[in-house]
This record gives sequence, structure tokens and C-alpha cells, in this order.
Amino acid sequence: AQKVTQAQTEISVVEKEDVTLDCVYETRDTTYYLFWYKQPPSGELVFLIRRNSFDEQNEISGRYSWNFQKSTSSFNFTITASQVVDSAVYFCALSESMDSSYKLIFGSGTRLLVRP
Amino acid sequence: ETGVTQSPTHLIKTRGQQVTLRCSSQSGHNTVSWYQQALGQGPQFIFQYYREEENGRGNFPPRFSGLQFPNYSSELNVNALELDDSALYLCASSLGQGPRGNEQFFGPGTRLTVL
Repeated sequence: AQKVTQAQTEISVVEKEDVTLDCVYETRDTTYYLFWYKQPPSGELVFLIRRNSFDEQNEISGRYSWNFQKSTSSFNFTITASQVVDSAVYFCALSESMDSSYKLIFGSGTRLLVRP
Repeated sequence: ETGVTQSPTHLIKTRGQQVTLRCSSQSGHNTVSWYQQALGQGPQFIFQYYREEENGRGNFPPRFSGLQFPNYSSELNVNALELDDSALYLCASSLGQGPRGNEQFFGPGTRLTVL
């Protein structure tokens, strides 16, 4: 069964600390895609990254980095030198290629609070 | 800004009523997906419309229905509203089939409250 687990419900850090958000997934498919979205208080889901199952290279974009490990079915997200503007709910999501709708299966989210 | 718009922003209804939510997709996108996000939870897939046809449905009852129009905008209709239907309803547009099909861009959502 397809499933995404974000075990951390809420994380609180002080500005400039590094923080890692965990994501563990389950899928039957050999070709799949993983995503991270940010949801600020306004409610709109903001796309951060898409990674396919054949690309296990870590990715860095500014203060954001992602660690994809198929061996542990994890796709973790690290924010370096966190800022107050990073405060939001972050969702990890899975999409399977054998599903023609490419629907996104979301985890329950991790609420990140960055305190000044 | 993703270019995906939704209306209305907020809506209050009473149990048993019917509601219609609207979504305009990003220019060039032919697919619209609808998600329900209950408070404190992740979005749940309701259904998807590709070129005016339903293309996939989540675990939602038939009283949740939809339409897609020739300009690829979409409506979500919910009949016989229940208290548990209170949620943020998100619309996402994408290019549909092909390797870019799962790159979904979300609108700001419609917050529905059922009293």
C-alpha cells in the first residue's frame, strides 16, 4: 500500500539552527516520485522539490537540501540556518507512475516553528 | 503565485445543503485535481479531471462530484453536506499525462465550514 509517514508532528527551533524534517514512504511501484511542499499560514501549497526514484543524488538549493535513500525508503529535508520565514507546515508526498492520475499521497505534515 | 485560482475563498453552509467550488487552472494545463485537507492533516485526493473526463478518484462518496470545462477550469460539487466536510479544499493543475503529469501546482484553497 502507498503511504507517507512524517513522524514529527511539530518541531521548534531557534533562528539560525539547522533542522531536518523526516519522511518515510511505502510503495509497490519501482518508478515513483517524491515531493516536498511548504504550506504557510495562507494555506497555499508551495512546491519545493520533485525527485524520481532513479535519482538518488542529494540535492541542494540555497539553504534547502534533500537526502533521498531508497535503502531506507526515506526522503529527508534539511533547512540550514533556519529563518523565521521558514515557519510553516511541510508536507512530503508520493506519486506512483503506475497510477494514471499521478495523484499525490501526502503525509500528515510537520509543523516547523522558527523562533527569533 | 502559481496562476491557479479558486473561488470563493471562504464559505459557510449548513448540514444538508449543497455547495459548488470553482477552480481555474494554470495557463497551458489540461488537468485539474481536487484535494480535501481537514484541519491538522495532509491533503487527501478526491478526484482528477483530464480533458473533461474523470481520471481517477479517491475514497470519497458519490455526493462528491465534479466537472471540467473546455477551458479546463473545474468545479467541485458536494451534495448533502455533513459536518465532517468542513475542510480546506485545494485545487491543483498540471499537464496531465506524461513525465510532467505529477508536477501539480496548487491554488490558495477554499475553506468550507459546515454548521
